[in-house]
Amino acid sequence: DIVMTQSPDSLAVSLGERATINCKSRQSVLYSSNNKNYLTWYQQKPGQPPKLLIYWASTRESGVPDRFSGSGSGTDFTLTISSLQAEDVAVYYCQQYYSTPYTFGQGTKLEIK
Amino acid sequence: EVQLVESGGGLVQPGGSVRLSCAAFGFTFNNYWMHWVRQAPGKGLVWVSRINSDGSSISYADSVKGRFTISRDNAKNTLFLQMNSLRVEDTAVYYCAKVAAAGSLVSAFDSWGQGTLVTVSS
Repeated sequence: DIVMTQSPDSLAVSLGERATINCKSRQSVLYSSNNKNYLTWYQQKPGQPPKLLIYWASTRESGVPDRFSGSGSGTDFTLTISSLQAEDVAVYYCQQYYSTPYTFGQGTKLEIK
Repeated sequence: EVQLVESGGGLVQPGGSVRLSCAAFGFTFNNYWMHWVRQAPGKGLVWVSRINSDGSSISYADSVKGRFTISRDNAKNTLFLQMNSLRVEDTAVYYCAKVAAAGSLVSAFDSWGQGTLVTVSS
């Protein structure tokens, strides 16, 4: 199984400031034949299902604000929120879909400082 | 609008069985791979199982292999998860999820249901 590890476990950021969440996979999720990283980011607010934010490590889902961006390749990935808004308070998960089981990171809880 | 509606959860005793359903609306169901993901109370997301468009290719997490069975009825636009020999540690909200790309195994999950809670307790 591909183990996904996020850091930090929790994060408090001031409104308007940058928030950065890291995700590391124990093995590469880059598929060499198409040069795509099989890595996605989800946002989950309390009492709600997860919402897709980013796929292929850096492609923003339709309708997701452009303050959300994803970067990285191979085993190291980052989700960045450029200017934190109050509605961004949530738990964020990375997930690899390179191979089954499609493992998730443990989640990062983002709060307002 | 894509909509996924889970049902079938509830309280079940250890060793018991339950069948979850996920009714799909707003997309061509038989074109998409589908998944089940669970979340224990206060915990993170755990992938459970996936099934391809016509039900011929299936995969499970090791923790549920041999106890859970995923299936689908494309005529009724419904996904199922038959859960047998339930354990206390199977207590969770179970979500069904649709992949983003039609016909593709390797795709992010772009739509999720609201989830159904299964509680395994005596």
